[in-house]
Amino acid sequence: DAGITQSPRHKVTETGTPVTLRCHQTENHRYMYWYRQDPGHGLRLIHYSYGVKDTDKGEVSDGYSVSRSKTEDFLLTLESATSSQTSVYFCAISERQASGNTIYFGEGSWLTVV
Amino acid sequence: DQQVKQNSPSLSVQEGRISILNCDYTNSMFDYFLWYKKYPAEGPTFLISISSIKDKNEDGRFTVFLNKSAKHLSLHIVPSQPGDSAVYFCAASDGNNNDMRFGAGTRLTVKP
Repeated sequence: DAGITQSPRHKVTETGTPVTLRCHQTENHRYMYWYRQDPGHGLRLIHYSYGVKDTDKGEVSDGYSVSRSKTEDFLLTLESATSSQTSVYFCAISERQASGNTIYFGEGSWLTVV
Repeated sequence: DQQVKQNSPSLSVQEGRISILNCDYTNSMFDYFLWYKKYPAEGPTFLISISSIKDKNEDGRFTVFLNKSAKHLSLHIVPSQPGDSAVYFCAASDGNNNDMRFGAGTRLTVKP
């Protein structure tokens, strides 16, 4: 158990509505990540954070924003959800940066945009 | 661009036999490689890793082999057990980038 809680675990929303997914960690790790998992693509990095208020874009950041106001919380926001954002979203954490280290995943948030 | 590729979407083996999962990569800057295991409706869990300075790492029934010249790594599970049935993701990272790249996954089924 990596001490990561994602909420909500399941959500159905309509196209054009804003959606926020929350990731909460109890490990006090510096790095936090949001990935999405889609068939045929594996896991792709959306955004990551390397400290409070310090964030950077990943491979598939378009249409997403993030915020980290506390070490333990990392929020992912879809400003205006689209059907292409239907996916499984995983939060992950690591003590040091991902290169050369292991990152640990939460249990996922299933998002359906209709 | 898919920098990490798992060309076999699925693999089926008999209980007790060896499972070999393969992974190829294109980025020569990758220097750390990992395997994750994922059950349905759960998050990926870390299984085993290897640094580019090694060519083999073993942990119980799991062994990862790295062939840098071929840009290829493989995960061997022996003996395979029904509880090993899951999706396995290969991942890679380099020293200059905080982005870990994943393959598309291979679904392993171990039949009793």
